[in-house]
Amino acid sequence: QQQVRQSSQSLTVWEGETAILNCSYENSAFDYFPWYQQFPGEGPALLIAIRSVSDKKEDGRFTIFFNKREKNLSLHIKDSQPGDSATYFCAASGRASGGNYKPTFGKGTSLVVHP
Amino acid sequence: GGIITQTPKFLIGQEGQKLTLKCQQNFNHDTMYWYRQDSGKGLRLIYYSITENDLQKGDLSEGYDASREKKSSFSLTVTSAQKNEMAVFLCASRDREGSDYTFGSGTRLLVI
Repeated sequence: QQQVRQSSQSLTVWEGETAILNCSYENSAFDYFPWYQQFPGEGPALLIAIRSVSDKKEDGRFTIFFNKREKNLSLHIKDSQPGDSATYFCAASGRASGGNYKPTFGKGTSLVVHP
Repeated sequence: GGIITQTPKFLIGQEGQKLTLKCQQNFNHDTMYWYRQDSGKGLRLIYYSITENDLQKGDLSEGYDASREKKSSFSLTVTSAQKNEMAVFLCASRDREGSDYTFGSGTRLLVI
């Protein structure tokens, strides 16, 4: 059973559009949701994160929208740039679940932004 | 700032061979991790260690051994490489429960 699910394996947008990457989770004990960005040949790097007490987190062009009742979240990349082309991983962890040492990762969404 | 260094960057092995991957961090982080990344399968946890000499199995530990002899280093051994195996092994660390990971750039394994 996949605990964190990213709905698209790949996504293509044009430069300037808003890219929307979706993620859902199973375990209601998860309370922390980071997104990681990975460029080819590199390891993932933390991009932005949200806690379940919030419904929105914004950092520049990147925004997480979080729906605790529906157990889903989305990463919006406003004004997408070709340099945003990367793989994006949604992750989830929670102290109450006993899994805080072991965040669970989705399978990733490969984003391509065409100029 | 600190850094996580993984060696080697590329590793070509033969079927049945025992292969060791190394990871060093100078953040002074307590917890270290080994993940395997396969195309389309995301990141799967192999082993982690919450302190020196501690080892905890992840979801994918069968076929692997790990060693945390020093706080700064965490090594992973593929006990018997499988033919045509191709994957990226990522090391990560963090300083306390709840903080975020810092990843290394990975070791790319190919078994011929």
